[in-house]
Amino acid sequence: GESVGLHLPTLSVQEGDNSIINCAYSNSASDYFIWYKQESGKGPQFIIDIRSNMDKRQGQRVTVLLNKTVKHLSLQIAATQPGDSAVYFCAEIPSGTYKYIFGTGTRLKVLA
Amino acid sequence: DAGVIQSPRHEVTEMGQEVTLRCKPISGHDYLFWYRQTMMRGLELLIYFNNNVPIDDSGMPEDRFSAKMPNASFSTLKIQPSEPRDSAVYFCASSLSWASSWEQFFGPGTRLTVL
Repeated sequence: GESVGLHLPTLSVQEGDNSIINCAYSNSASDYFIWYKQESGKGPQFIIDIRSNMDKRQGQRVTVLLNKTVKHLSLQIAATQPGDSAVYFCAEIPSGTYKYIFGTGTRLKVLA
Repeated sequence: DAGVIQSPRHEVTEMGQEVTLRCKPISGHDYLFWYRQTMMRGLELLIYFNNNVPIDDSGMPEDRFSAKMPNASFSTLKIQPSEPRDSAVYFCASSLSWASSWEQFFGPGTRLTVL
């Protein structure tokens, strides 16, 4: 799938280091937040989600942090690997809907 | 399960022609979503269905776009007439409303080029 290209912010990380990808959301009434990963030529793939009543949630090698005060979401990837190279999108789901509102995305490049 | 299936994977057409994109959601899923992805606008939700009924089509660009879901296993997105600005990757996604998460499962997308 085509990912947003030239206008994407890019994060370059050395293999083995930790990555932190940030996202600002707009709707303080959103109930739910999700991170997706999109590799070149593919559709977005679910990584992890977090409900608005939580501050932190951990998965395998990933942690999502939610700061509702400043409407900020972050995705931390531990021990970044070459296979983590992709575009990462955050999405929010406003209360009472099933609609995802996607952010613009961040391109993660893992350097060998 | 094969996941969400979309066809065709690539479509090249000329301005003014009708284009039909197809989607088969994951069996048992009751929500279906159509998205468009472009460099300028990112990922945009066009329309979504619940139990084959359109719930929100506020993202459909204009009357040239229409979507149908005649049954639980098939949906179409039609553009008539197509214009060069419709060139994008179109994704279909499906989800299960009573699952523990709101994960949407995306198909591989259809890359549409309108000349």
